[in-house]
Amino acid sequence: QSALTQPPSASGSPGQSVTISCTGTSSDVGGYNYVSWYQQHPGKAPKLMIYEVSKRPSGVPDRFSGSKSGNTASLTVSGLQAEDEADYYCTSYAGRNNLLFGGGTKLTVL
Amino acid sequence: QVQLVESGGGLVKPGGSLRLSCAASGFTFSDYYMSWIRQAPGKGLEWVSCISSSGTPISYADSVKGRFTISRDNAKNSLYLQMNSLRAEDTAVYYCVIDRGAVAGDYFEHWGQGTLVTVSS
Repeated sequence: QSALTQPPSASGSPGQSVTISCTGTSSDVGGYNYVSWYQQHPGKAPKLMIYEVSKRPSGVPDRFSGSKSGNTASLTVSGLQAEDEADYYCTSYAGRNNLLFGGGTKLTVL
Repeated sequence: QVQLVESGGGLVKPGGSLRLSCAASGFTFSDYYMSWIRQAPGKGLEWVSCISSSGTPISYADSVKGRFTISRDNAKNSLYLQMNSLRAEDTAVYYCVIDRGAVAGDYFEHWGQGTLVTVSS
């Protein structure tokens, strides 16, 4: 099964909002509410930012939000800050023994 | 606090074997599904394998099925990945992760720092 599709890059100025998309199919993103998002700074392990489409783990700022429409999930970062500059990956459950990752999006804070 | 510490990575020749370990602490290890996720240099993330809290069921990505074996020892709070018939494309940082949620692969709440496996002659 193919990976989920993310834009390779996104950018915004401090204080602005940016939305990163994650497109799959009805067999993964569209079929389950098990989409999660991870932030990864260079040389570091990924960090969970959003799970089950729109839930935020404790400690993650409410500037980060998730949503889904049809086969596309989205991560929105509001009030961009310099420390938000990182790579972001989406994942989706795609049935038993099948988990898909997106190719990643490099977010640049201008 | 939750800690996941991987070890066992290194340089190995194509066709060789390696066993990764992950020492877990700060949570009740035997209560949770665990997974291995890898990241090739400069590339994205790839789920490798998952094991239930009791040891079965187990699942593998097609890319490693028949070559890799995941296991756990709940008495030692440890997760393992036996990797055989290694290929150049297995070169990656391997992360040990806690697999949470309603289904295996729902979300990965905690990650180790990773261990680098390099397959090269």
